[in-house]
Amino acid sequence: QKEVEQNSGPLSVPEGAIASLNCTYSDRGSQSFFWYRQYSGKSPELIMSIYSNGDKEDGRFTAQLNKASQHVSLLIRDSQPSDSATYLCAVKGPSGTYKYIFGTGTRLKVLA
Amino acid sequence: EAQVTQNPRYLITVTGKKLTVTCSQNMNHEYMSWYRQDPGLGLRQIYYSMNVEVTDKGDVPEGYKVSRKEKRNFPLILESPSPNQTSLYFCASGLGQMNTEAFFGQGTRLTVV
Repeated sequence: QKEVEQNSGPLSVPEGAIASLNCTYSDRGSQSFFWYRQYSGKSPELIMSIYSNGDKEDGRFTAQLNKASQHVSLLIRDSQPSDSATYLCAVKGPSGTYKYIFGTGTRLKVLA
Repeated sequence: EAQVTQNPRYLITVTGKKLTVTCSQNMNHEYMSWYRQDPGLGLRQIYYSMNVEVTDKGDVPEGYKVSRKEKRNFPLILESPSPNQTSLYFCASGLGQMNTEAFFGQGTRLTVV
């Protein structure tokens, strides 16, 4: 059973819409949660990190964490064609460990 | 410019021939890590290091070795590469506990024939 699950997509949204990306994780002791964007053929780049329940906003991006349901999400407002990429959810294990588990990613396509 | 540099970017080698992929960061990061990325399996952590001389296994350490003799360098060693180690490899570094995976290298595409 995968420890970090993401829908592989593609998720297609029109330009200007809100894209909603979701991730669930299995380890209740997980402490830190990250969203990365990866363009085809490139390395992952960190978009957001979140550590406590609730929402965290950074520009057009909002990360949401619900530890009770073991769910992390990323909202992208006013989606642009340049947002078309694969979005990776990553989860860091309990305090004291530096093991990271990545989901397989959701491919987002923003249609102009 | 802050960066994580991997070399080589592309490598084709034969089964059993020892190789090293280098990783260097210029940000004075304590934490460094190696991943492999395979279609359908995503990024999987191979090894990580919290500081000089401190390393630990990730999820898929078999067939790999690492060393951290200097803070800036974290080479990945394949003593006897096999075809199932054909993959895209990424090195990453970060400051500390929270934002630990902030920077990834450009990747090394390894093919073992």
